[in-house]
Amino acid sequence: DTEVTQTPKHLVMGMTNKKSLKCEQHMGHRAMYWYKQKAKKPPELMFVYSYEKLSINESVPSRFSPECPNSSLLNLHLHALQPEDSALYLCASSPEFGGGTEAFFGQGTRLTVV
Amino acid sequence: AQTVTQSQPEMSVQEAETVTLSCTYDTSESDYYLFWYKQPPSRQMILVIRQEAYKQQNATENRFSVNFQKAAKSFSLKISDSQLGDAAMYFCAYRKYGGATNKLIFGTGTLLAVQP
Repeated sequence: DTEVTQTPKHLVMGMTNKKSLKCEQHMGHRAMYWYKQKAKKPPELMFVYSYEKLSINESVPSRFSPECPNSSLLNLHLHALQPEDSALYLCASSPEFGGGTEAFFGQGTRLTVV
Repeated sequence: AQTVTQSQPEMSVQEAETVTLSCTYDTSESDYYLFWYKQPPSRQMILVIRQEAYKQQNATENRFSVNFQKAAKSFSLKISDSQLGDAAMYFCAYRKYGGATNKLIFGTGTLLAVQP
């Protein structure tokens, strides 16, 4: 299994809603990532988890809250988002954080905040 | 700080022809990795090819090959016998080897169209 699976694929939420994005991998990877991507732009790193511990937070607003319940799962909890947070949210994983191995990406969740 | 530059926002190629996408980067590191990722309309970022900086030999994956010029800090991607399925956004990316914060740094992307 060489997949990173993200659910849901599409999400529309109001500014007062609470929702969660889910990411799962069964490749035994110990590093997992959340990226935000606007149309025709490169992905922007948000969070990195290494061995289930938060390693990097790229000064992301607190309305985004990551969680890594175990080595296979990564969640992104969303609360009180703004319309400018509408974007494609990509999850990725890699064998480790610190080497030169490539990251494997999921298909993303297209988030629209109304 | 490391930076990655893709100077061609859009490119077009005829089916079965060859196209080269350019990428330059800036780093003071000696050990690093370079990647080309493809992002089709399906949205998933797919690794196309990887190059280790310590290797002089250019990486090749089927119809995809790179021209890695370490001194010039250049890392171009050549796609031979272009196919309709090659149409996508292509991102060049850099990652320093080792360290606690060696993030994947992306270029701004090149949108490749393949004409039938």
